[in-house]
Amino acid sequence: QMQLQESGPGLVKPSETLSLTCTVSGGSMSSYYWTWIRQPPGKGLEWIGYIYYTGSTQYNPSLTSRVSMSVDTSSRQFSLNLSPVTAADTAVYYCARGSRPFLMDVWGQGTAVTVSS
Amino acid sequence: QSVLTQPPSASGTPGQRVTISCSGSSSNIGSNTVNWYQQLPGTAPKVLIYGNNQRPSGVPDRFSGSKSGTSASLAISGLQSEDEADYYCAAWDDSLNGHVVFGGGTKLTVL
Repeated sequence: QMQLQESGPGLVKPSETLSLTCTVSGGSMSSYYWTWIRQPPGKGLEWIGYIYYTGSTQYNPSLTSRVSMSVDTSSRQFSLNLSPVTAADTAVYYCARGSRPFLMDVWGQGTAVTVSS
Repeated sequence: QSVLTQPPSASGTPGQRVTISCSGSSSNIGSNTVNWYQQLPGTAPKVLIYGNNQRPSGVPDRFSGSKSGTSASLAISGLQSEDEADYYCAAWDDSLNGHVVFGGGTKLTVL
């Protein structure tokens, strides 16, 4: 059974770069859309974007100027960079497997990131 | 404001049937399938319904989904206390090169 685990700093300073990694275990990364979603405290879900296992990407239009994603199938990891960050980027960040570009069917447990000086 | 519109809250008593609506537009629900996610307190979301009305294995048949035009609905019959959660609809939106849009979420309370 596939499992995903997010990792990265829990505190990032304003104007700096938020960097998170998701490690995949229990299955191949091939043919899936590796996705990031976030949830600000007390609010709903926001799709950040995905990176296909081949490296092609699709980002949320509202974040595209600040987001980049990468994938390393040999290490079974994919990553998110968001820069520069503000307090509005404070959220729980989830990584997920997409069996379709629009369907996230396996989720990580989430990691909380706070943007504060 | 979310692209997809859901009521912020819903409630029902055990055994009741409740429905949660999700309203969108021609660029999302009107032309793509709808998925529903359930988020139990303190946990990550999980897929409840995909492809408008399909249930992943393990999801009880008390949960059902439907779509008509630019709207979709999630129905829960035989409501149980463990159904108390946040529910989100989502769909692909064809505008701006394409992206996933979510509803704002509906908090379901079992009275």
